[in-house]
Amino acid sequence: QQQVKQSPQSLIVQKGGISIINCAYENTAFDYFPWYQQFPGKGPALLIAIRPDVSEKKEGRFTISFNKSAKQFSLHIMDSQPGDSATYFCAASMTRGGKLIFGQGTELSVKP
Amino acid sequence: DADVTQTPRNRITKTGKRIMLECSQTKGHDRMYWYRQDPGLGLRLIYYSFDVKDINKGEISDGYSVSRQAQAKFSLSLESAIPNQTALYFCATSDPDRRTDTQYFGPGTRLTVL
Repeated sequence: QQQVKQSPQSLIVQKGGISIINCAYENTAFDYFPWYQQFPGKGPALLIAIRPDVSEKKEGRFTISFNKSAKQFSLHIMDSQPGDSATYFCAASMTRGGKLIFGQGTELSVKP
Repeated sequence: DADVTQTPRNRITKTGKRIMLECSQTKGHDRMYWYRQDPGLGLRLIYYSFDVKDINKGEISDGYSVSRQAQAKFSLSLESAIPNQTALYFCATSDPDRRTDTQYFGPGTRLTVL
C-alpha cells in the first residue's frame, strides 16, 4: 500500500522554467510534509518542509503548496537551474513519530 | 553528510551469502533508520530504532535483520542474500528532541547480489 503517491516519475525542464512535482497522501493523521533532494552518489537531504497549518511555504526559489482538503502537496522550483538536476522525494509523517513515508521519487533534469 | 557514514560503499556478493552493512553516526541522535532505494519505488523503510533497546520493523523487513550495538552504530544484515535484494541502501538518523523531524542520511551502500 503506497500511502504517498508522487508524480511525475521524471521531468525535463528548460533552464529558467518552473518545475512542478506533485504528491498525494492518504493518511489524514500525517502532519509533517518534507521534500528531500538527492544528487547522484549522495544520500537524500532535506530541502524544505511544511506543516498543514499553512497553505504555502517559500524558501528562495523553492515553494511548497499544500491543499489539506485534497490531501495533496506540491513542490515548485522557480527559475530552474541545471544545478537543480537531482531526484526529489516527497514524504509524510506524524509529528515526532519518526517514520517518514516517502513517495516514489521524481528525477528532474534541467536543460541549459 | 560526513556525520553519518556507511561501510562498505559498494558490495558485490553471491546468492546465499551473509552480508552486513554498517552505519555509524557522530550526530548524537537516538533515532536511526535503514532504507532501501529502488528505481520507481522511492525509499522504503526496512528497520528503525528509537534508542539502543528499541528495534522496530519497517514496511519491508522480511529477509533482513538489524543490530543496534550502541547509540552511534546500527547494522543491517542480510542472512542469505538473494538477487532481489540488489538495491541502494541508506542509513539515516534523527533527533526526536528537535522541533523538526529532519532525517540525516548517509552516503549509501550499493549492494549487488548475483
